[in-house]
Amino acid sequence: QKEVEQDPGPLSVPEGAIVSLNCTYSNSAFQYFMWYRQYSRKGPELLMYTYSSGNKEDGRFTAQVDKSSKYISLFIRDSQPSDSATYLCATSVDSSYKLIFGSGTRLLVRP
Amino acid sequence: GAVVSQHPSRVICKSGTSVKIECRSLDFQATTMFWYRQFPKKSLMLMATSNEGSKATYEQGVEKDKFLINHASLTLSTLTVTSAHPEDSSFYICSARDPTVGSGYTFGSGTRLTVV
Repeated sequence: QKEVEQDPGPLSVPEGAIVSLNCTYSNSAFQYFMWYRQYSRKGPELLMYTYSSGNKEDGRFTAQVDKSSKYISLFIRDSQPSDSATYLCATSVDSSYKLIFGSGTRLLVRP
Repeated sequence: GAVVSQHPSRVICKSGTSVKIECRSLDFQATTMFWYRQFPKKSLMLMATSNEGSKATYEQGVEKDKFLINHASLTLSTLTVTSAHPEDSSFYICSARDPTVGSGYTFGSGTRLTVV
């Protein structure tokens, strides 16, 4: 079993839709949770960073962490074609420790 | 915000030669940097942890003698692919974290290596 599981997609939605991206993890020691967006042939870009359980909102993006069920989510409201990319969840036991990545979900937002 | 610069962005080299990739933290000091490798349509695979002033820590299965890592200063880590072969062709990415800011790791823009 992988430490972090993520559906690879692809996920195709129409412009303006609400997108829900999810990951599950197995290690209860994970405390830090991140979402990255990666465009083709580019390095990942940090979107959201959260510690422990709870919600965090930044513009059209909302990250949720439920440590009781070991489930993390990223919601994108009013999705745009420019949101088309691969979204990677990542987690770590410590803020300075190595990241464990999910496999990434490819998202396509159709105009 | 924290900025990580990676150079070169693309490199083509002949089999048997060595290639050096640089990773710089531009506006912060990083005692630790990470090097990843990514295959097409796959997630990032951690290769090694680069520690300033000490030896790098390699992940299981990564050849230390092929992928030489040097972290000589608090703002620069280098990855040298020695005696490159076509199977080393890949996308290499570094990351670092500004310890003074409560946020996640920042990644470089990546280096696409093609060995011919």
